[in-house]
Amino acid sequence: DAMVIQNPRYQVTQFGKPVTLSCSQTLNHNVMYWYQQKSSQAPKLLFHYYDKDFNNEADTPDNFQSRRPNTSFCFLDIRSPGLGDAAMYLCATGFRGVYNEQFFGPGTRLTVL
Amino acid sequence: AQSVTQLGSHVSVSEGALVLLRCNYSSSVPPYLFWYVQYPNQGLQLLLKYTTGATLVKGINGFEAEFKKSETSFHLTKPSAHMSDAAEYFCAVRTTGANSKLTFGKGITLSVRP
Repeated sequence: DAMVIQNPRYQVTQFGKPVTLSCSQTLNHNVMYWYQQKSSQAPKLLFHYYDKDFNNEADTPDNFQSRRPNTSFCFLDIRSPGLGDAAMYLCATGFRGVYNEQFFGPGTRLTVL
Repeated sequence: AQSVTQLGSHVSVSEGALVLLRCNYSSSVPPYLFWYVQYPNQGLQLLLKYTTGATLVKGINGFEAEFKKSETSFHLTKPSAHMSDAAEYFCAVRTTGANSKLTFGKGITLSVRP
């Protein structure tokens, strides 16, 4: 089945230790999104790629970076995780255009010790 | 700028009862509206969407929503709740423009009592 896959589902890291979360898709969508969702809150968009064009949200901390080496894969790098970065990280994909919904992966829950 | 308001954080209903989850939006242009459901430790799943055309939209799992422009609302309903409907529900509006993106409401937790 076509889908959005996130690995790992659970990630534990130490304060300040870089961590990378991965997302892959078999839907051949041209847009990939990364969201941060803290407990009992709405998902917050960090950035998205339209093809290779990177679009950063104005309030996304510099600590968060992203890479999209090809259509299928997108990575979220957290350079120096702080305790406040503990959250669920959701990857989503879609086609560009307002009519089109986004398809979400299952998420990676990040714990920072 | 578009925004979404979901009043209250928690709704509790009995199994078999009507489910009504409220969503109001603010938009200066015709909105594109979505309802997503999120089960614990999972991603978001699309329930239904309104883009243009018929204002009563039917979705998966027996849910439907009605777009009411005069009330700027897009409330989600289901005639008869099942235990499996217990989850978090998010209403979202899609912004227009080249870099269109979703703006989510803060979500409502639905509990279903046996």
